Amino acid sequence: KNQVEQSPQSLIILEGKNCTLQCNYTVSPFSNLRWYKQDTGRGPVSLTIMTFSENTKSNGRYTATLDADTKQSSLHITASQLSDSASYICVVSMTGGYNKLIFGAGTRLAVHP
Amino acid sequence: SQTIHQWPATLVQPVGSPLSLECTVEGTSNPNLYWYRQAAGRGLQLLFYSVGIGQISSEVPQNLSASRPQDRQFILSSKKLLLSDSGFYLCAWSRASGGSSEQFFGPGTRLTVL
Repeated sequence: KNQVEQSPQSLIILEGKNCTLQCNYTVSPFSNLRWYKQDTGRGPVSLTIMTFSENTKSNGRYTATLDADTKQSSLHITASQLSDSASYICVVSMTGGYNKLIFGAGTRLAVHP
Repeated sequence: SQTIHQWPATLVQPVGSPLSLECTVEGTSNPNLYWYRQAAGRGLQLLFYSVGIGQISSEVPQNLSASRPQDRQFILSSKKLLLSDSGFYLCAWSRASGGSSEQFFGPGTRLTVL
């Protein structure tokens, strides 16, 4: 069964601290993996995309890693800001067809001052 | 640039009433279009997708239906709402150039069925 599992379910950190979110997937055939940021009550916005051959991708203070052998990804947030408070969703795309996406349930991050 | 619109932003409807949610995309042609539902604490669930006018595919059996009367318009409907239809509905589009294209999401509609 194609699944994406994320941990932790929720996380609270202080402003300025770093954090790492985890994503494990069992999706085949694999095309790429994206991390989305979803603010409360808004649609998700893509942060990073990685294909099978990419190990790491950065977007400002966000750094994503991918281990295609163990089927694990992580999203590292550096020097967190209050505006980082959101849900972070790991999404795996399957090859072929109409671009089917498998979504994780997300990690809800709260950054406190 | 491309933009995607959804309305209404929020909706409160009684059980048994009809539903119509609209999604429109600007700045692109022949997009793939998608309807998702997001329940609290759950991942997005794909409801319908469309690769062209009048072409609708359903991912899960349910009380809802979708239509695509124009190239950049996607409508989600129901004849009689159920309590379980409550949730956050997201429309998305992607380029029709094949798999692995990024999906761009609309702002969503919060539906509460009472």
